[in-house]
Amino acid sequence: QKEVEQDPGPLSVPEGAIVSLNCTYSNSAFQYFMWYRQYSRKGPELLMYTYSSGNKEDGRFTAQVDKSSKYISLFIRDSQPSDSATYLCANGAWDYAGNNRKLIWGLGTSLAVNP
Amino acid sequence: NAGVTQTPKFQVLKTGQSMTLQCAQDMNHNSMYWYRQDPGMGLRLIYYSASEGTTDKGEVPNGYNVSRLNKREFSLRLESAAPSQTSVYFCASSTTSNQPQHFGDGTRLSIL
Repeated sequence: QKEVEQDPGPLSVPEGAIVSLNCTYSNSAFQYFMWYRQYSRKGPELLMYTYSSGNKEDGRFTAQVDKSSKYISLFIRDSQPSDSATYLCANGAWDYAGNNRKLIWGLGTSLAVNP
Repeated sequence: NAGVTQTPKFQVLKTGQSMTLQCAQDMNHNSMYWYRQDPGMGLRLIYYSASEGTTDKGEVPNGYNVSRLNKREFSLRLESAAPSQTSVYFCASSTTSNQPQHFGDGTRLSIL
């Protein structure tokens, strides 16, 4: 079992739909959680960063973390064709000194938003 | 706003050749990273530099060397390229090693 898993998709939705992207993890030591967006032939771009259970909202994007079930979601409201990309989940843990001890990436979910 | 700049963007090498991938960031970040991204494998850390003057191995360091030239620049060297090193290479940086990373747009490297 991989430490961080995502459904690869592709996920295809009509413009304006609410999109739900999911990520599960197996290591309870993970303390912080990130979502990145990657357009074709580009580098990953940070969307959301959180280290607590619950919801974090930024514009049309909401990240939801449930540490008890080791489940992370990214919701995109009013999806646009420009949201078509691969979405990567990344989970990490710090050591006792606050340094990054481990960062594990999911393989990503491909999203297509159709006009 | 340049952010993280990688050169070259594309490169084709023959097996056994050497080359250096360059990375520079203008965000005054302390930590820098080199990843490779392959289909079905995701992003894998090759080497990282938590701060100027330090470098450490990541998950897949074999066949690579790095140099943290100064605070801005972090280079990745392939001494004797092999076809298994065909990949897309990303450089990233972060304020400190426990903060989110910001990526460049990658170098697409093919080794024949």
